[in-house]
Amino acid sequence: EPEVTQTPSHQVTQMGQEVILRCVPISNHLYFYWYRQILGQKVEFLVSFYNNEISEKSEIFDDQFSVERPDGSNFTLKIRSTKLEDSAMYFCARGGLAGGGQFFGPGTRLTVL
Amino acid sequence: KQEVTQIPAALSVPEGENLVLNCSFTDSAIYNLQWFRQDPGKGLTSLLLIQSSQREQTSGRLNASLDKSSGRSTLYIAASQPGDSATYLCAALKTSYDKVIFGPGTSLSVIP
Repeated sequence: EPEVTQTPSHQVTQMGQEVILRCVPISNHLYFYWYRQILGQKVEFLVSFYNNEISEKSEIFDDQFSVERPDGSNFTLKIRSTKLEDSAMYFCARGGLAGGGQFFGPGTRLTVL
Repeated sequence: KQEVTQIPAALSVPEGENLVLNCSFTDSAIYNLQWFRQDPGKGLTSLLLIQSSQREQTSGRLNASLDKSSGRSTLYIAASQPGDSATYLCAALKTSYDKVIFGPGTSLSVIP
């Protein structure tokens, strides 16, 4: 199974601070996604990223969020000024595979105080 | 807009029992359907993936079926074990590169 790793596993930050969550796919692939899961709620789509560009974003993905692939390998999600309601588990996934399906990283738990 | 629902929301069964988890989706134009397992506070582990052209997939004690026309999928777990206790999520995918739409999950507890 194609692997995806994420760092850090847990991040605690103060409200208003910027955070960067990182995703590292093992193999070089083109389709990446970020999802989030607020405690006790559904997993929600944030943004998809194809060939170094955003291909789709949800209503949640407002101006406070950005994604990039700065070095052609790591895939990052940046939240510019965190809010209490940004506290959630953030998952990176890779997809676009033959036969479909997505493979998820272990997630980063973000806690905003 | 695709919506995915799952019933029951929670299920508690004694060890050894066979059980069925249900998933429904509103848009039958799916590419595939994927079942995931999530342990508390942990990530999403893919269990089974069913292509739109398939009717079912099996892996060990797990069997997932897909009926596109009725917008339903089921996950059958045979001879349940305490280690099966987790939340089970189903998710629909419209194309091979589209976002995944998740259901709310079924929280399963298998009592020894």
